Amino acid sequence: NAGVTQTPKFRVLKTGQSMTLLCAQDMNHEYMYWYRQDPGMGLRLIHYSVGEGTTAKGEVPDGYNVSRLKKQNFLLGLESAAPSQTSVYFCASSFDRASGNTIYFGEGSWLTVV
Amino acid sequence: GNSVTQMEGPVTLSEEAFLTINCTYTATGYPSLFWYVQYPGEGLQLLLKATKADDKGSNKGFEATYRKETTSFHLEKGSVQVSDSAVYFCALRGMYSNYQLIWGAGTKLIIKP
Repeated sequence: NAGVTQTPKFRVLKTGQSMTLLCAQDMNHEYMYWYRQDPGMGLRLIHYSVGEGTTAKGEVPDGYNVSRLKKQNFLLGLESAAPSQTSVYFCASSFDRASGNTIYFGEGSWLTVV
Repeated sequence: GNSVTQMEGPVTLSEEAFLTINCTYTATGYPSLFWYVQYPGEGLQLLLKATKADDKGSNKGFEATYRKETTSFHLEKGSVQVSDSAVYFCALRGMYSNYQLIWGAGTKLIIKP
């Protein structure tokens, strides 16, 4: 039972470098999300997708781009990394938008920008 | 807008103590309410949820009751164990076309043997 898988788990970037975080889910979920988690704060939604080929901005989208070319994958890109993007990133997915449906999370990706 | 407020941590208890972590919310209508737990170095896992007023969610000895009148969803456990040490997040999901969860800041729980 893989669930939601994120890669890489750890990465150190230099300011200005680019990278892509990959999220894969095997539950046939329509909805996928990227969150960031910072100390003393709850999770903040970066971008989300309501189905293959769709993406939308969340609460803190600036500096990030996403793509959902396949239903099972949701990619988060940093075009020019900044120290303010040092954070833990979580991918998540859910079956649909019904309010009671559970959101499933990956194990997180620790990103440090120096 | 919707919001969630959790008690600040860390909360430090001895093993077998009674646990309460307070969570209150602001939302229109009847949101769904969740508690997630994050163990060190891991992602968030759903602990329990409640989707309507007066519902009680329960799992692994933890309980929380959806109180509409006090807009609260406090997490309780009668006898904590060292293995319960983690960060606990309260969250809500709005009932009106809302794709995302609104999160509390998290409460770190430390259980000492």
